[in-house]
Amino acid sequence: DTGVSQNPRHKITKRGQNVTFRCDPISEHNRLYWYRQTLGQGPEFLTYFQNEAQLEKSRLLSDRFSAERPKGSFSTLEIQRTEQGDSAMYLCASSSPGLAALSMAQYFGPGTRLLVL
Amino acid sequence: AQKITQTQPGMFVQEKEAVTLDCTYDTSDQSYGLFWYKQPSSGEMIFLIYQGSYDEQNATEGRYSLNFQKARKSANLVISASQLGDSAMYFCAMREGMGDRGSTLGRLYFGRGTQLTVWP
Repeated sequence: DTGVSQNPRHKITKRGQNVTFRCDPISEHNRLYWYRQTLGQGPEFLTYFQNEAQLEKSRLLSDRFSAERPKGSFSTLEIQRTEQGDSAMYLCASSSPGLAALSMAQYFGPGTRLLVL
Repeated sequence: AQKITQTQPGMFVQEKEAVTLDCTYDTSDQSYGLFWYKQPSSGEMIFLIYQGSYDEQNATEGRYSLNFQKARKSANLVISASQLGDSAMYFCAMREGMGDRGSTLGRLYFGRGTQLTVWP
């Protein structure tokens, strides 16, 4: 299976700790996205990479959040000094290159569920 | 203002019947794309169907079709011949072509979703 993979699938941490999530996109996809989904809501955009360049960051992405995609392949999302409000599902998605960018569907991974105690 | 509005928190349909899930959107862009995703209880978002703002025909993918009414800014999902496995959360999403900053943005805006339950 060559879908989007995310690790870990679940993470429980104590408030104030740092956590890091990894996302491996579909291999030929050059665009990678991070979203956050809380209970009863749709996913909310966090940030977007095209190859290794971070092209857009949401205001939701406070200075405690940082995302990288150093070689244009996998990406990591780090949350420093976690707070209880960070508890959510963190979803990664990727999409293929192409001129018709508007139509390119984003394919999602299974998500990482974070619980901050 | 919400970019995507889904007014039905929950819908129920009997197996083999058709069901329509509502979605309205708000954008000032002329060029945009509309998507529907399915999210089962396992959590993974599954892409179902896409409609472009310039597409003259409604999109169809198997049992899924998108009822696109541009003037009303609505993009309803129609599922024909419902199956028990269709029970899931369904999200409508939009990508704007140009956005506020005049560049192609990558993000999708999602609605709050509709929980569909198919009963035998």
